[in-house]
Amino acid sequence: AQKVTQAQTEISVVEKEDVTLDCVYETRDTTYYLFWYKQPPSGELVFLIRRNSFDEQNEISGRYSWNFQKSTSSFNFTITASQVVDSAVYFCALSEKGNTPLVFGKGTRLSVIA
Amino acid sequence: DAGVIQSPRHEVTEMGQEVTLRCKPISGHDYLFWYRQTMMRGLELLIYFNNNVPIDDSGMPEDRFSAKMPNASFSTLKIQPSEPRDSAVYFCASKWEENTEAFFGQGTRLTVV
Repeated sequence: AQKVTQAQTEISVVEKEDVTLDCVYETRDTTYYLFWYKQPPSGELVFLIRRNSFDEQNEISGRYSWNFQKSTSSFNFTITASQVVDSAVYFCALSEKGNTPLVFGKGTRLSVIA
Repeated sequence: DAGVIQSPRHEVTEMGQEVTLRCKPISGHDYLFWYRQTMMRGLELLIYFNNNVPIDDSGMPEDRFSAKMPNASFSTLKIQPSEPRDSAVYFCASKWEENTEAFFGQGTRLTVV
């Protein structure tokens, strides 16, 4: 069965600090897909990134970076030089090949204080 | 494309009333999902469709919940009769193919009093 664990329920940082959101997943499949979504205070769910299990290269997009490590079943998300607009709940999700729906972690609430 | 469109955005109803939530997926997307978000349970899948056909409804909590997708551009989630514990944010999402990302609507905040 697939499972996603986000152990950090809430994180609070001061603006311009770097912050890493942890995501650990469980799956029996060798082919699977990992995702991160952002839910700002307005409530919508915004897609950030998708990775497949065969691509372990880290990815950077502006201040955002993702570290995928199959050896530890982790897909962590780092925000560099955090800003107040980064305040949101961040969800990590997993889908297995042949199992279409995304399974979500419980989310990490990030508060960036000015 | 306007994205996934849900209506209404907010719904307040009395216990026992019927509630219908609506969703228009992104054109060309073959998959449609209904999720429910609560503080206690997080985001949980209720049901999903592929090419308008329900594939997995094991997440539907009770017989009071039903969902339909009469065509590729419209789906409904109905609760009859509604109960206070149904209060939650209901999200509709769609995606193009099996292992692509899903795009979410803005959600319907349901309050049953």
